Amino acid sequence: KNEVEQSPQNLTAQEGEFITINCSYSVGISALHWLQQHPGGGIVSLFMLSSGKKKHGRLIATINIQEKHSSLHITASHPRDSAVYICAVRTLTQGGSEKLVFGKGTKLTVNP
Amino acid sequence: DTGVSQDPRHKITKRGQNVTFRCDPISEHNRLYWYRQTLGQGPEFLTYFQNEAQLEKSRLLSDRFSAERPKGSFSTLEIQRTEQGDSAMYLCASSFILAGYNEQFFGPGTRLTVL
Repeated sequence: KNEVEQSPQNLTAQEGEFITINCSYSVGISALHWLQQHPGGGIVSLFMLSSGKKKHGRLIATINIQEKHSSLHITASHPRDSAVYICAVRTLTQGGSEKLVFGKGTKLTVNP
Repeated sequence: DTGVSQDPRHKITKRGQNVTFRCDPISEHNRLYWYRQTLGQGPEFLTYFQNEAQLEKSRLLSDRFSAERPKGSFSTLEIQRTEQGDSAMYLCASSFILAGYNEQFFGPGTRLTVL
């Protein structure tokens, strides 16, 4: 079982719909990141959070540390939101250093 | 500052050849990370540097892989005797550690295809 699980794997929505992507993790973490990856590979950091909720424009990220679960919400979705959304957790390696462990990503397609 | 840059963006090579990738982090970022991403998967940690010191290497990083960060600025990742299984996107990220705050900024990646 992967340390970071995302659902759904693929998501198709109509423009304007409210979208939720979920992330569950099984390791101890110091922070959780939501990342956006467009075709071509570049990754953009959307949020880094360790508790509660953050909002940026139409994007909202929440985390429940006790339940080891985070959600990314997109309100009023738009075709330009089409991308792969990746959840990553910051955890410790066996050597005591920090590293990011990534989920496999959720491919979002928003149709006009 | 234009962010993290990587060069080249694409590399096609024949099996058995050596390849080298470069990453230029955001200036004054003291941490630099290398990740590998295969098709349909999330990135996987390879190694990271704090300034010029390589502090951690994943078991994914075989003896054919070597990374350096001379002078604590840019970094290179070399793959010797490439194999088809090395085909992937190689991502670099940098961050500045301050009081536990460690947000990583990613480069555009280098896509390697080994024929």
